[in-house]
This record gives sequence, structure tokens and C-alpha cells, in this order.
Amino acid sequence: DAGVIQSPRHEVTEMGQEVTLRCKPISGHDYLFWYRQTMMRGLELLIYFNNNVPIDDSGMPEDRFSAKMPNASFSTLKIQPSEPRDSAVYFCASTNNLLGDSYNEQFFGPGTRLTVL
Amino acid sequence: GQSLEQPSEVTAVEGAIVQINCTYQTSGFYGLSWYQQHDGGAPTFLSYNGLDGLEETGRFSSFLSRSDSYGYLLLQELQMKDSASYFCAVRAVWNSGNTPLVFGKGTRLSVIA
Repeated sequence: DAGVIQSPRHEVTEMGQEVTLRCKPISGHDYLFWYRQTMMRGLELLIYFNNNVPIDDSGMPEDRFSAKMPNASFSTLKIQPSEPRDSAVYFCASTNNLLGDSYNEQFFGPGTRLTVL
Repeated sequence: GQSLEQPSEVTAVEGAIVQINCTYQTSGFYGLSWYQQHDGGAPTFLSYNGLDGLEETGRFSSFLSRSDSYGYLLLQELQMKDSASYFCAVRAVWNSGNTPLVFGKGTRLSVIA
């Protein structure tokens, strides 16, 4: 299996621009998570999906952030407009079996390092 | 709210044993996990404790005491490649009623010769 795939790996943009991050989860996984990692705040959950349906988006910082999962093999996280404080590494992770122990084992993608100037 | 406390940095000598502690204060509890992250890399799952006691996986062991809201990760026979950040994570109940993972801030382990 190729693992969780994210693109782009690096993104540099200017304040006010729209940014779209992409994720392909591991085939067969029915949970998908978007995290943001910064030195100050650590690893924060932004939103997660189960069977393509958003379950909890209470971690999304503000309305500038939105996420979609149109099918089981693709998800996007969009920031519009972007601001310098959005600079971080954004990780996508997937897993399955919410009620079982394996839910705790999440498989992370390589991340997208976003820099907003 | 949810809070997980772990030391920010630990330094240990190659070949030695190191213990990384994690205390948590959460609404609800559904297990403690540990993840490893090398610089520039992604977090990778190491272990999970759903019940009290010790779980061993090779050189790594993880312990949980639910009554003390405490756990630790034990790394034995340290190798230079173990230099990384280690995160504890708890499945806890959010205000929404859902139970995703909440991560600690991480402990940066430096293994020296």
C-alpha cells in the first residue's frame, strides 16, 4: 500500500491567496483526519470524516477554513483567504474501526508545509 | 477541557533506558497512545494502552494507570535513531460528544553517544 498521500508537500503563498491541500487516504480506511502542527500549539485536530461525512469540525479555527471529502479516496482542506498565522505543517491521517482499539492507530501522510507570506 | 502534560525535552545516553511520562486530564477516557515523529517526518504509531498495565513491543514498552491518569513510554537499549519527538495521545470526549484523539505537545528525545 502506498500509504496516505498528500499534495503538495510544500506550498508558499502570499497573504490573501486561496490554498488547497489534498489528501488520499489508505484504501479501505473509513476515517480521515486533518491536523495542523505548529511549535506553539502542537498537533491539533481540525476536522474528521467518517465514510466521507464530516463528523466533527469544532477544531477548524475559523470560517476561512473548509474541508470536503467528495469520495472515499480524496479529501481537500481549503484556506481562503490565507493569512501568515496559517503557516504550519498540515497532516492528513486515516484509520478504520472507530470502536475498536485500532482506531487509536492513525496513519499519517507526509504533511504539507504551508508558508503564507 | 482536555490537557496532557509531558516533559518538553529529555536527553539520554546511547544504550541506556529512558522513560517519558504523560499525565492527562480529560473528559472521558478511551485509551492512551504513543506516537514517534522524526524531524521533518510524520507521526507514526508506536503503542496503545486501553487497560492498566504494561504493553511491550520490542525495545519499547508503554504503561497505563487509569486511576492515576498517568502513563509512560519506556525505551530500552537506546539507539541514535531513537532521537525524535514522542507524543502521548488520548481518546477523550469533546464538547461535541465525539471522541477523537487529543495529542500532547510532545517530548523531544536526544540520544547522545
